[in-house]
Amino acid sequence: VQLVESGGGLIQPGGSLRLSCAASGLAVSRNYMSWVRQAAGKGLEWVSVLNSADKIYYADSVKGRFTISRDNSKNTLYLQMNNVRAEDTAIYYCASLVNGVAFDYWGQGTPVTVSS
Amino acid sequence: QSALTQEASVSGAVGQKVTLSCNGNSNNIGSYTVGWYQQISHGAPKTVMFGDYLPPGIPDRFSGSQSGTTASLTISGLHPEDEADYYCSTWDYSLSAWVFGGGTKLTVV
Repeated sequence: VQLVESGGGLIQPGGSLRLSCAASGLAVSRNYMSWVRQAAGKGLEWVSVLNSADKIYYADSVKGRFTISRDNSKNTLYLQMNNVRAEDTAIYYCASLVNGVAFDYWGQGTPVTVSS
Repeated sequence: QSALTQEASVSGAVGQKVTLSCNGNSNNIGSYTVGWYQQISHGAPKTVMFGDYLPPGIPDRFSGSQSGTTASLTISGLHPEDEADYYCSTWDYSLSAWVFGGGTKLTVV
C-alpha cells in the first residue's frame, strides 16, 4: 500500500488549495480515508474522514471551509481547502483506516503554508 | 487541550520495559479501539498497534491493552530505534470526531 500526497504549497490567507492523495494497493472507494495534519512542533490533529458509505465528518476547526472527496476512477482522495487561515499551516497527511477502527497506512505528507 | 491525555515524556534504558498511557472517557476509549502511532524525528506517522493487534512488520516487543477509559502501549526491551513521539487516537462519538492525545516523547538512554 502506498499513499502519495501532493498539492501543498504557499498560499495567502483567504485563498484556496486542493490537496490530493493518490492511493495504490488499496481502493479509496472501499476504505475509510482521512486527512490528519501537524503544525510545526505540535501534535497530530485530525481534519476529516470519508467512509465507504460516503459518510463525512470534519473537525470543528475546518468545518464549512474544507471539503473531503474522492475520485474512484483515479483512486485518489482530495481535500479542498477554502478560506484558509494562518492556523491551517501544517503538514497534511493522508491516512487509511482499517474497518474504521484505527489508522493503518499513512502517506509522507504535503506541507501547506498560509502566509501573506 | 487534547481529548486524550498522555504523558509528555517518558524515558527508559536500552533493554528496559516502558509503558505509555492514554487516558480518555466513556465517549472515546471506553467505547472504541485505540490506535498507537510512532513518529520518528517528525517524519510520517507509523501505526504500531491498535487494540491488541500488532501490524505486520512491527516487532513483538510492542504490545497494547485497554481497560475502561485507559489504553496502554508497552515496549518490552527498549531498542535505541524506539526513540520517538507516540500518539494515541480513537473515535469520540460525542464529538463525532477522531481525537488524538498530545503525544509522549520517548527517550531511550
